[in-house]
Amino acid sequence: DAKTTQPNSMESNEEEPVHLPCNHSTISGTDYIHWYRQLPSQGPEYVIHGLTSNVNNRMASLAIAEDRKSSTLILHRATLRDAAVYYCILRDVLAGGTSYGKLTFGQGTILTVHP
Amino acid sequence: EAGVAQSPRYKIIEKRQSVAFWCNPISGHATLYWYQQILGQGPKLLIQFQNNGVVDDSQLPKDRFSAERLKGVDSTLKIQPAKLEDSAVYLCASSLDPGPNSPLHFGNGTRLTVT
Repeated sequence: DAKTTQPNSMESNEEEPVHLPCNHSTISGTDYIHWYRQLPSQGPEYVIHGLTSNVNNRMASLAIAEDRKSSTLILHRATLRDAAVYYCILRDVLAGGTSYGKLTFGQGTILTVHP
Repeated sequence: EAGVAQSPRYKIIEKRQSVAFWCNPISGHATLYWYQQILGQGPKLLIQFQNNGVVDDSQLPKDRFSAERLKGVDSTLKIQPAKLEDSAVYLCASSLDPGPNSPLHFGNGTRLTVT
């Protein structure tokens, strides 16, 4: 499984934008970049994903570098409810039945939001 | 739509006892996953089902863990006998299919404590 590297922790103030970085220098052409977050005492929650182009949804934006070796999750206005562990994960397409698109979680980034 | 349901929410057992966890995925989701999350770590995939067939159980300790998904809907994960190191949160997730464009939906997990 291709690996990702994220900072252990980041801090932000409420209502300010947050940029969460992720490095994935060994990404393959068929790897999708996925972001999940996990709030305390809950299961992980899907945030956003993309392959090559930048993506936007109601929760966040995903900016993908042109060489795809890094990406950034952008929370446009952080709220206290955004305090969570954020996971950047590479998810492969089905490759002859060997990977089955599984998610392999790393340690993630602990985001603290200050009021 | 209703989310992924798991029960029980908490379980405390003594080592060498057996325990079972139950998962009801989102209706229509063909792919079901069981993850183990030890405190302070990211979730680790134990087993992945496609309908009622196993497609990945490479990280399942098969000498003590077993899982089944009869009729391709509900699933149970069993540990027999439990060890102290099995103390963790057991997360169930489901997705429409195993492809990279189908996000995983997680339940809130079962917290197991082995004493």
